Order: sequence, then structure tokens, then C-alpha cells
Amino acid sequence: GAGVSQSPRYKVAKRGQDVALRCDPISGHVSLFWYQQALGQGPEFLTYFQNEAQLDKSGLPSDRFFAERPEGSVSTLKIQRTQQEDSAVYLCASSFYRVRDQPQHFGDGTRLSIL
Amino acid sequence: QQPVQSPQAVILREGEDAVINCSSSKALYSVHWYRQKHGEAPVFLMILLKGGEQKGHEKISASFNEKKQQSSLYLTASQLSYSGTYFCGTVNSNSGYALNFGKGTSLLVTP
Repeated sequence: GAGVSQSPRYKVAKRGQDVALRCDPISGHVSLFWYQQALGQGPEFLTYFQNEAQLDKSGLPSDRFFAERPEGSVSTLKIQRTQQEDSAVYLCASSFYRVRDQPQHFGDGTRLSIL
Repeated sequence: QQPVQSPQAVILREGEDAVINCSSSKALYSVHWYRQKHGEAPVFLMILLKGGEQKGHEKISASFNEKKQQSSLYLTASQLSYSGTYFCGTVNSNSGYALNFGKGTSLLVTP
């Protein structure tokens, strides 16, 4: 596809359930990022992949959050034993290679609501 | 590490100009500007690299003062389509990749 694709667009889960969010980056983009965006706030960095290597996961809020990109393309963000504070929009972004001087292209996000 | 944006919100009449500021306490390598409409993805506007350059995109331009770690986004002769929330994202000189976003500036352009 032409842009970053995320699915599902909306996800409602009960507290304690596990969820999996998918990101399909722009073809050929080496770098992939996950962000969490709370209502009325800017995106907050969660984790960064360069190809299949997770180079930085310092932004993941707890060990309930896990991300992978096994073949260097599609990525999945998994949240185990969800809690209400996990409710947010989860954005995925990709860039060709170096982020410092290249744009990140964002998907529309997955809006996660924990009941 | 989060940059500070000002103002928090702006209301303009169509055709008016606006300036949005972004300030960081860290030495910056680059500043990235995005616009996000409600329920949509942030859309890339431009990147400014250290060197104090100014870039333009039609009636939207920006500057970057690396000595002051500040960037400004200039919206000229605003159009209704400019409405949205503007975010600056900064890359620190010593971090290499992570974008730190401000809280955003909400811009509303009215007829």
C-alpha cells in the first residue's frame, strides 16, 4: 500500500484481556516506531525497530507491553492483562532509514478502549 | 525532554497569519512539524536540521534556531484546511532517532 496501515482501527477489550495491534509499514522502510497518544496530548514514544531488531524499548510503560517485527516488515504491539490506563490511540510510524533527518509517516492509529 | 509549544490554542479568521513556537531544553539535531486532524494520522509538514535554515511549503514555513533550541512555524494567509493540531517533534543531538513531541497547538480557522 501507499501508506502505513494499522489494524484494527478500533479495539474494545475488557480489563485483563490481551490485545494485539498490527502495523504494516510503507514498503522498504527500515525504521518502525510505536507511539501512544492520550487524548489531547502529543504522541509518546514506545519502541523503535530497525529492520527486525528492536533497538529501543525504553518507552514501553510496563512488562505487559511487548512488540515484535520478526521479518523486518509487519510489526505487532501486544498488551497483556490490559488495564484501564492502557486506553489510548496507538500510532505506528515508519521512515526510510535515519530518523534524524527523514520524515516519519504515521498510520491512522488503533483506538484502544479498556472497559 | 518534551519540547514546549506555545500557544496552546489559536483561533483565526480565514486569511490571517499565525506563529506557533516550539522550545526545547536539550541540544537539538532536528525539528519535525506535523499537523493532525481529529481521528486522523499526524501528517508530516517539514523537517528542519541544525544550521538555522528556514524551509517553506506554500504558505507554511518554519525556522530553526539551534543555538536557542527553538523553532517556529509560520502560517500565512490561513485557509480553512489549516485547522487541526500542530505538533513539533524534536530529535536530540545525542539520541539519534526518537522523536519527542510537544503537547500540540490547536488551530481553528473560521470563515
